[in-house]
Amino acid sequence: GQNIDQPTEMTATEGAIVQINCTYQTSGFNGLFWYQQHAGEAPTFLSYNVLDGLEEKGRFSSFLSRSKGYSYLLLKELQMKDSASYLCAVYNAGNNRKLIWGLGTSLAVNP
Amino acid sequence: GAGVSQSPRYKVAKRGQDVALRCDPISGHVSLFWYQQALGQGPEFLTYFQNEAQLDKSGLPSDRFFAERPEGSVSTLKIQRTQQEDSAVYLCASSLAQPSSYNEQFFGPGTRLTVL
Repeated sequence: GQNIDQPTEMTATEGAIVQINCTYQTSGFNGLFWYQQHAGEAPTFLSYNVLDGLEEKGRFSSFLSRSKGYSYLLLKELQMKDSASYLCAVYNAGNNRKLIWGLGTSLAVNP
Repeated sequence: GAGVSQSPRYKVAKRGQDVALRCDPISGHVSLFWYQQALGQGPEFLTYFQNEAQLDKSGLPSDRFFAERPEGSVSTLKIQRTQQEDSAVYLCASSLAQPSSYNEQFFGPGTRLTVL
């Protein structure tokens, strides 16, 4: 079966650091994506991990451990505009290139 | 255009009415995906096109749902005899992806369908 788990909601303070975890159990794996989605808007691409380790991109970093079926998105120096839903998605090339999506983590950044 | 566009942005339909949702992908993008996203949920895959070929329609929830991309660019998702459970945001995404590789999916703003 296909299963992707991430926390439903998180709260953090402006200027702080927050880590959003994602665990997955899928029949195939060719990469993991993180997308950001503001309310009422389309998802926008944040990161793509296919190899183990940490990928850093400005204030955002994403980590992958394929052996553990685990990823996290790390957001530093939080800003109010980071309040959004963060979606974890697994790509399986053998599954007609589908992305299997988690339900998303709603992050609220408070002043 | 600069990005993926969808129309209409909002659609209110009476139960039993047919609707057609349009997606204009980024020019030159080979792959096109349709997703259904209910409130507070992640996107759910509906169907996938590579150029004009519909390679996967396993996510379409019923035979009332039909998608086409006749010339390999613009795509239309049609829902016949709409039901209240069809109320959702319908997202379209496109990518340069070729069969042997993967590229980022670019999403349109979505069409919010409300069935009364």
